[in-house]
Amino acid sequence: GAGVSQSPRYKVAKRGQDVALRCDPISGHVSLFWYQQALGQGPEFLTYFQNEAQLDKSGLPSDRFFAERPEGSVSTLKIQRTQQEDSAVYLCASSMDGRSNQPQHFGDGTRLSIL
Amino acid sequence: AQSVTQPDIHITVSEGASLELRCNYSYGATPYLFWYVQSPGQGLQLLLKYFSGDTLVQGIKGFEAEFKRSQSSFNLRKPSVHWSDAAEYFCAVDGNKLVFGAGTILRVKS
Repeated sequence: GAGVSQSPRYKVAKRGQDVALRCDPISGHVSLFWYQQALGQGPEFLTYFQNEAQLDKSGLPSDRFFAERPEGSVSTLKIQRTQQEDSAVYLCASSMDGRSNQPQHFGDGTRLSIL
Repeated sequence: AQSVTQPDIHITVSEGASLELRCNYSYGATPYLFWYVQSPGQGLQLLLKYFSGDTLVQGIKGFEAEFKRSQSSFNLRKPSVHWSDAAEYFCAVDGNKLVFGAGTILRVKS
């Protein structure tokens, strides 16, 4: 079946604007993860969902970042009042049940540029 | 807290030569360890994983990795590199969420 799908692939916004990034996980995958990858760095964990429940949001850098997964499938990462330091690639991953021995499958990411 | 160190930012090897990418981790218990590869503009693809058992694990594309508990290492190897292997490689440890190293960029010269 299809892999993890993210949209848009590229997003350019002016500082102060709000943005919304979408992730469509692999069908049937219970767990969904968001990561932020700054230029030249490895991905860093942002938040984790098990079905519609957000079980860990310890990686969200500020209260401007908000994620939801209302029906336990598609997820949206929203960034309010964007700042230049928010420029990064945002990666979404899903796994079957979120246990540590289940590999995460990644989408191609959304590259966000804040002007 | 868990952490991953990839000491080499860039590595250049000749096509056909062998490859070893280093990874050291810090984790309080038996770790779940992964290697991912990322081509430009794309997401991460899983190469291989270690959970338990045999410390030498085989992955896709001819890659293998060896878990050495005494050295807290999980180095990635390939006996003969192909030009298509040029990409960025990430080692990661999972203790509820993936923690990645900073990555190693592999360049292959013909």
